[in-house]
Amino acid sequence: DVKVTQSSRYLVKRTGEKVFLECVQDMDHENMFWYRQDPGLGLRLIYFSYDVKMKEKGDIPEGYSVSREKKERFSLILESASTNQTSMYLCASRPPRGAYTEAFFGQGTRLTVV
Amino acid sequence: AQKITQTQPGMFVQEKEAVTLDCTYDTSDPSYGLFWYKQPSSGEMIFLIYQGSYDQQNATEGRYSLNFQKARKSANLVISASQLGDSAMYFCAMREGRGYSTLTFGKGTMLLVSP
Repeated sequence: DVKVTQSSRYLVKRTGEKVFLECVQDMDHENMFWYRQDPGLGLRLIYFSYDVKMKEKGDIPEGYSVSREKKERFSLILESASTNQTSMYLCASRPPRGAYTEAFFGQGTRLTVV
Repeated sequence: AQKITQTQPGMFVQEKEAVTLDCTYDTSDPSYGLFWYKQPSSGEMIFLIYQGSYDQQNATEGRYSLNFQKARKSANLVISASQLGDSAMYFCAMREGRGYSTLTFGKGTMLLVSP
């Protein structure tokens, strides 16, 4: 079974802190994604990566950055956390496009910024 | 314009009844895929079913089926014989053929199954 693991289920941080959300997948997938989920808004794409050291902005990249130094690991960074970044963060991975493939998700990280 | 529209914020159904969750999509790409995910209160996203734009038949997976009407750009999820464990948030998503194929999600429908 594909496994996508996020480092924390729950996280509480203070305004202005630098926050790292880590995601690791064990299926050698090229593509990895970070989504943010808010009530009434569904899942919105923050950043994605299609290869090591490659990254692309999604729909809402402001206030976030990412790092992909190894294929299996994709990190989301909040440079200076703000209260409006309180949300559920979901990491996903999938093989390259072409054939039918669903994305596999981690268990999510509920981040609260106080 | 929204690429994925789920017009039902919440749905109620009684156990053992069938329920249809609506999803309409917007794309000009002839090659695309449509996905449904379930998210229980625990938070994990569970893949349910997939329909490709060139698939001739509607997809089915156990109690889940996808009512794909290409001309109307709709991809409704049908759950037959609802169970209490089906209570969850349901998301419709689309992958378009171009680019690196990110998934675009709708806002979701909360399904509550009552005894």
